[in-house]
Amino acid sequence: NAGVTQTPKFRVLKTGQSMTLLCAQDMNHEYMYWYRQDPGMGLRLIHYSVGEGTTAKGEVPDGYNVSRLKKQNFLLGLESAAPSQTSVYFCASFSGTSGSYNEQFFGPGTRLTVL
Amino acid sequence: RKEVEQDPGPFNVPEGATVAFNCTYSNSASQSFFWYRQDCRKEPKLLMSVYSSGNEDGRFTAQLNRASQYISLLIRDSKLSDSATYLCVVSSTDSWGKFQFGAGTQVVVTP
Repeated sequence: NAGVTQTPKFRVLKTGQSMTLLCAQDMNHEYMYWYRQDPGMGLRLIHYSVGEGTTAKGEVPDGYNVSRLKKQNFLLGLESAAPSQTSVYFCASFSGTSGSYNEQFFGPGTRLTVL
Repeated sequence: RKEVEQDPGPFNVPEGATVAFNCTYSNSASQSFFWYRQDCRKEPKLLMSVYSSGNEDGRFTAQLNRASQYISLLIRDSKLSDSATYLCVVSSTDSWGKFQFGAGTQVVVTP
């Protein structure tokens, strides 16, 4: 059981380049999330998905797009990277049920630098 | 005003001492409460869920005060390995599946 995995772990981009971050979970969770974390700030929600084929905007969606074509995968795309997108990106998943084990599980993060 | 607020610290704690800190939340529809631990900007990991009656897990005790809308975490007999940032996380019935994060409280345990 790998839990939540993310690729790549590190990436350096030049301004204007594009890239896709991949998140995968093997827990059959309905909900998946992309967050960014900047120094001194909490996690901020970029986009999330409540099930296969669905996506929704979070708190800071501008400059990002997402897709959830398969239940186990959630992709985050940067079409034209900007230095303001330098951050640590975390993916998370959640079963969607209430009661026990209703917490989020996080991937190890992707450290992105945009020059 | 942020939905979830924490004292950023750092709380400098001698090894073996007790430290406690709170997290306040503003949404009265908040239903589920968690403490996560985060080391050096690695991924957050669940420390414990917080139940209405309060709960304990070894040296860690979590309390919920719904009337004053805060949760607390107490660490007894602090170990060097307890040095980390502790994140308060809250989810609400009026936005199911969305979690609100505090910015974290840094704890530094010193020898």
